[in-house]
Amino acid sequence: GAVVSQHPSWVICKSGTSVKIECRSLDFQATTMFWYRQFPKQSLMLMATSNEGSKATYEQGVEKDKFLINHASLTLSTLTVTSAHPEDSSFYICSALGSTNSPLHFGNGTRLTVT
Amino acid sequence: DAKTTQPTSMDCAEGRAANLPCNHSTISGNEYVYWYRQIHSQGPQYIIHGLKNNETNEMASLIITEDRKSSTLILPHATLRDTAVYYCIVRVGGSNYKLTFGKGTLLTVNP
Repeated sequence: GAVVSQHPSWVICKSGTSVKIECRSLDFQATTMFWYRQFPKQSLMLMATSNEGSKATYEQGVEKDKFLINHASLTLSTLTVTSAHPEDSSFYICSALGSTNSPLHFGNGTRLTVT
Repeated sequence: DAKTTQPTSMDCAEGRAANLPCNHSTISGNEYVYWYRQIHSQGPQYIIHGLKNNETNEMASLIITEDRKSSTLILPHATLRDTAVYYCIVRVGGSNYKLTFGKGTLLTVNP
């Protein structure tokens, strides 16, 4: 149980284009989803927290207009990287929380490369 | 959330127990200790968590000292597939759920 699916697993896009990443909780309803970013040889950094049906809360230094998060249902959250640039190339990981007493479960990440 | 300190790296022989330490000397009474691991190019995988008592599941055991200022994750029979970065994280229970990852410990299991 507690499977989080992330799609796509990797994507290459041209500078200036937008990319959407999906995160789904397959066997539970996720009241809260989190988006992380990880650069090579670094740890995960929390980008934003999203609750179903409400606006996401972004961490300091994360541009909300660049990283659009939508959490329209209890099983789906999307992260759209708008007007991507090479410096946005990174490993993006989502996680989903079923209840506050359960562990946080993570997707397998999306490797974004912007050329 | 309380800060944790872990060794940067550790080695372990295949088949032997791997004991990964974590210091969290500023932990509060309502903070849980969580362990995750991240195999290269994958998302983190939940291993185990605890508050005060020692915990065991099919993956590992978690030993928390009586003063709760440190803990040890034990993989009883390490395999090559256990090579990963292991993260020890403390967080407050309840609705304010946010996991902050440190640098973790790179465990290398050698044949």
